[in-house]
Amino acid sequence: DVKVTQSSRYLVKRTGEKVFLECVQDMDHENMFWYRQDPGLGLRLIYFSYDVKMKEKGDIPEGYSVSREKKERFSLILESASTNQTSMYLCASSLSLGQFAELFFGEGSRLTVL
Amino acid sequence: SQQGEEDPQALSIQEGENATMNCSYKTSINNLQWYRQNSGRGLVHLILIRSNEREKHSGRLRVTLDTSKKSSSLLITASRAADTASYFCATKAAGNKLTFGGGTRVLVKP
Repeated sequence: DVKVTQSSRYLVKRTGEKVFLECVQDMDHENMFWYRQDPGLGLRLIYFSYDVKMKEKGDIPEGYSVSREKKERFSLILESASTNQTSMYLCASSLSLGQFAELFFGEGSRLTVL
Repeated sequence: SQQGEEDPQALSIQEGENATMNCSYKTSINNLQWYRQNSGRGLVHLILIRSNEREKHSGRLRVTLDTSKKSSSLLITASRAADTASYFCATKAAGNKLTFGGGTRVLVKP
């Protein structure tokens, strides 16, 4: 089975802190994604990566950056956390970007910014 | 804005009953997928229906797709307490993005 592991289930940070959310997948998937999930808004795509060192902006990239130095690892970075970034963050991976590709999700990281 | 919107937002049924939820979307799609999310966990892929398919089954799940109405439905038959979760539709139009709706929360009471 594909396993997508997010390093932290719960984090509490202060406004202005730099935050790293780490995600590792073990199935050699080419593509990795970061979503945020907020009540009533569904999942919104922040960034995705289709190869090492490659990244593309999703729908809401402002305030975030990403890093993909190795195929299995995709990091989401909040350079200066703000309270409106309090959310559930979900990492996902897929084997391909083809039209029939399904996503495999991690368990999520719930971030609270005070 | 969300591509897919689920209806109803919440659903409460007794164990053994069927649960039906709907998804409407705005633009032409290549496929539509349904995912389940247990409380506080990640999403799990349930089923994918292609734009040229009208109905698909997987175990107790039945998905329909009506591209003329830009809508899909997910039916869970003979529901169990373990089916309590949120259910999301996700659509893939041209390009690489999978766009999710806001979800339907389903509570199955024992």
